[in-house]
Amino acid sequence: AQSVTQLDSHVSVSEGTPVLLRCNYSSSYSPSLFWYVQHPNKGLQLLLKYTSAATLVKGINGFEAEFKKSETSFHLTKPSAHMSDAAEYFCVVSKGYNQGGKLIFGQGTELSVKP
Amino acid sequence: EPEVTQTPSHQVTQMGQEVILRCVPISNHLYFYWYRQILGQKVEFLVSFYNNEISEKSEIFDDQFSVERPDGSNFTLKIRSTKLEDSAMYFCASSIGTSGRNEQFFGPGTRLTVL
Repeated sequence: AQSVTQLDSHVSVSEGTPVLLRCNYSSSYSPSLFWYVQHPNKGLQLLLKYTSAATLVKGINGFEAEFKKSETSFHLTKPSAHMSDAAEYFCVVSKGYNQGGKLIFGQGTELSVKP
Repeated sequence: EPEVTQTPSHQVTQMGQEVILRCVPISNHLYFYWYRQILGQKVEFLVSFYNNEISEKSEIFDDQFSVERPDGSNFTLKIRSTKLEDSAMYFCASSIGTSGRNEQFFGPGTRLTVL
């Protein structure tokens, strides 16, 4: 069975400083991993995805994540936070290639960005 | 850019009433999903739908729930007799395929409040 744990429910950074949102996963399959972002009153938008190709994945808006199988982690990073990055971020796992479309979400991390 | 739309954005109903939540997936997508998020909790998978039948459903998706694709564009979630605990944000999603490489595109959600 798959599961995802986001280690922080809330992260607060200052504008221009690095962002680190932590995610650990558990999967009995070779997983696909995603980060989605949700801005207030908006739908869930895909930031990036890992699907067994390169372990360092680059996404939109300067975000990237590194798949570390030995640590079962998929942490999301950004070198320099912007005010517009303030949102809820979800780490998500699926079973993997051709294993079905069901997504399993982490609890979410709320990112606050201070001026 | 194509997007998933959902109506209404907010639905208030009395306990025991039937509700239908509507979604218009992206036009060339073949797989459709419903998820829900109870306030303060994780986003949870409810059901996936392909080729006019349910592909997978969670234990939440009991006999009170049903899904339908009544025409070529709409995808609906019906709750026959709403309970207080059905109050949640309901997200519709669609994808071209079910492989882990296929992104699921989410709508903005319908907030259901059961009184």
